[in-house]
Amino acid sequence: GENVEQHPSTLSVQEGDSAVIKCTYSDSASNYFPWYKQELGKRPQLIIDIRSNVGEKKDQRIAVTLNKTAKHFSLHITETQPEDSAVYFCAAWGGGNKLTFGTGTQLKVEL
Amino acid sequence: DAGVIQSPRHEVTEMGQEVTLRCKPISGHDYLFWYRQTMMRGLELLIYFNNNVPIDDSGMPEDRFSAKMPNASFSTLKIQPSEPRDSAVYFCASSYPSRPGEQYFGPGTRLTVT
Repeated sequence: GENVEQHPSTLSVQEGDSAVIKCTYSDSASNYFPWYKQELGKRPQLIIDIRSNVGEKKDQRIAVTLNKTAKHFSLHITETQPEDSAVYFCAAWGGGNKLTFGTGTQLKVEL
Repeated sequence: DAGVIQSPRHEVTEMGQEVTLRCKPISGHDYLFWYRQTMMRGLELLIYFNNNVPIDDSGMPEDRFSAKMPNASFSTLKIQPSEPRDSAVYFCASSYPSRPGEQYFGPGTRLTVT
C-alpha cells in the first residue's frame, strides 16, 4: 500500500520567515495530494491540494509543489504569521483508493 | 452548509460499555470516512463508504468495532465492548462524488474509556 513520509516533525520559524514541509510517497499511482492544517483541539482542515498533472499551485501565502518523478511534494508558507502555528499533514490518494496521511509537522511561528 | 456533523463531541465511558458515535455528512457528498487519531498512531482510516456501501474496512482494529450507513445522511461507528486503548479522537469526513480525496472533516468525538 501507499506510504507517506513527512519531514520535519517539528519546525520553528520567526514571524515573517518562510516555512517548508516535505513529503515523499511510494505509490506511483497516487494522483491527488492534499495538505491539511490542524489547530490544537480542532479538526483537520484542507488548505491546499495539487493533482498529479500539475507541478505547482499557489494560494496567497501558501504554495505546493509536486515532483512526480522523484515522488515528493512540498508545502511552502511565506511571510509566516503566529496564526500559522499548527500541525500540518500531507496526504496522498493513490491506487489503493484511500487517503494516506503523513505523520504531521508541528509548526511554531515565534514572535 | 453546516459541514460534517458529529455527535457526541465528548464521550466518557467505562471499560466494557457500548459506545456509539454518529455522523451526518455534507449534503451531496457520497463518500464517508471514519478516522481515529492518537498521538502514537496519528490519523488512521478505519472504514469508508461510497453510496452507503462499505468499501474498505481493513482499518477496523477488531471485531469490537462496527460501522453502518443506513442512508446517505447518517452513519454510526460502534464499539462493543469498549476498552481503555480505544481512547482517541474519532473523526468522520465526507467528500464529493469523483473527488474522494478532497475530504472535509467533522469536529470529532473525543472518546475516553476508563
